[in-house]
Parts: sequence; C-alpha cells; structure tokens
Amino acid sequence: AQKVTQAQTEISVVEKEDVTLDCVYETRDTTYYLFWYKQPPSGELVFLIRRNSFDEQNEISGRYSWNFQKSTSSFNFTITASQVVDSAVYFCALSDITGGGNKLTFGTGTQLKVEL
Amino acid sequence: DSGVTQTPKHLITATGQRVTLRCSPRSGDLSVYWYQQSLDQGLQFLIQYYNGEERAKGNILERFSAQQFPDLHSELNLSSLELGDSALYFCASSAPGGERETQYFGPGTRLLVL
Repeated sequence: AQKVTQAQTEISVVEKEDVTLDCVYETRDTTYYLFWYKQPPSGELVFLIRRNSFDEQNEISGRYSWNFQKSTSSFNFTITASQVVDSAVYFCALSDITGGGNKLTFGTGTQLKVEL
Repeated sequence: DSGVTQTPKHLITATGQRVTLRCSPRSGDLSVYWYQQSLDQGLQFLIQYYNGEERAKGNILERFSAQQFPDLHSELNLSSLELGDSALYFCASSAPGGERETQYFGPGTRLLVL
C-alpha cells in the first residue's frame, strides 16, 4: 500500500530563516509521481510541484527547492529566506494508480508558521 | 485560481439530511476527483470519474454517491448525514494523461452538520 509520512507536524521559524519540510514515501510502483501542495489559511490547495520517479534532479523555483532522493524514498522541500506569506500547511502526496485510477495519497501535512 | 469551481462554499445542515456538492473542472480536463479533508482522517480520496465513467473508488461511504455529467461537471451527493461528515470537501480535475497529470484543486466546500 502507498504511504506518505510527514513526521514534522508543526515548524515555527523566524522570517528569513531557511526551513526544510520532510517527506518520506512508500510504494511498490516503479513509476510514480510525487507532489507538494500548499494550503494557506484561506483553505484552498495550491499545487507547487510534480516530480516523476525517473527524474532525480533537484529543482529550484525562486525561494523554493526540492530534493528528491530515490535511495531514501524522500522528497524534501526547502524554503529559503522564509516570509510570513509562507505560513501554511504543506502536503506531500504520492500518485497511486492501483485499480486503474489515479488517486493521490497525502501525508498528514506540516504546519509552517513564519513569524516576524 | 486553479480554474476548478465548487459550489457552494459553505453548507450548514442537520443530521439525517441530504446535500449535493457541485464541481466544474478546468476547461479541457476529463477527470474529476473528490477528496474529503477532516481533522481526524486528514485528506482522503473518495472517488474519481473520467469522461463520465467511474474510474477509481476510495474510502467513500455507501451513503455518499457521485456522478459526472456529459458536460463534465460532477456532483457529490451526501445523504443521511452524520456529525462526523462535517469536513472540507475538495474537487480536483486533471488533463487526460493518467497519473502523470497534475490534479488541480477547487476552493472546497465546507460542510457543517449540526
């Protein structure tokens, strides 16, 4: 069965600090996709990134970067120079095509609080 | 704005009642997904439709049902509501292409059962 673990329930940082959100996954699939979503206080789920299992290149987008390591089944997310607007719950998710569909298995989320 | 719309935004109802949540996918997307987010269960997949046909089923209760119409909008029907059904219900859609396609989520419908 698919499983996504986000062991950090809540992280608090001061603005401008760097912060890394951890994500560990379990799957028996050889091809799979990993995602990060952001849920700000307003409640919507905002897509951040998708990574496929064959692409282990790290990705950087502005202050965001992602480190995918297949050997440790991890897909960690780093925010550099955090800002108050980064305060949100961040979810890591794994695609699951068991049964012919395409569902996402989500982790329990990490609440990030960035304070002045 | 993801392009996925959901109505209503908020819904307050009583136990035993029935409600219908509506979702319109992004233009061109054929798949629609429903997820439930609750404090005790987290984000859970309920059901997926692809071009009008049920494609995958998750932890969806028998009291819940869904369908996707020819214009591709989808409805999630929740009946015999219980207090524990109070949650945020998300709809998502994705382009044809299977698992490699990103699911884009709507703003959600917040259901409160009193």
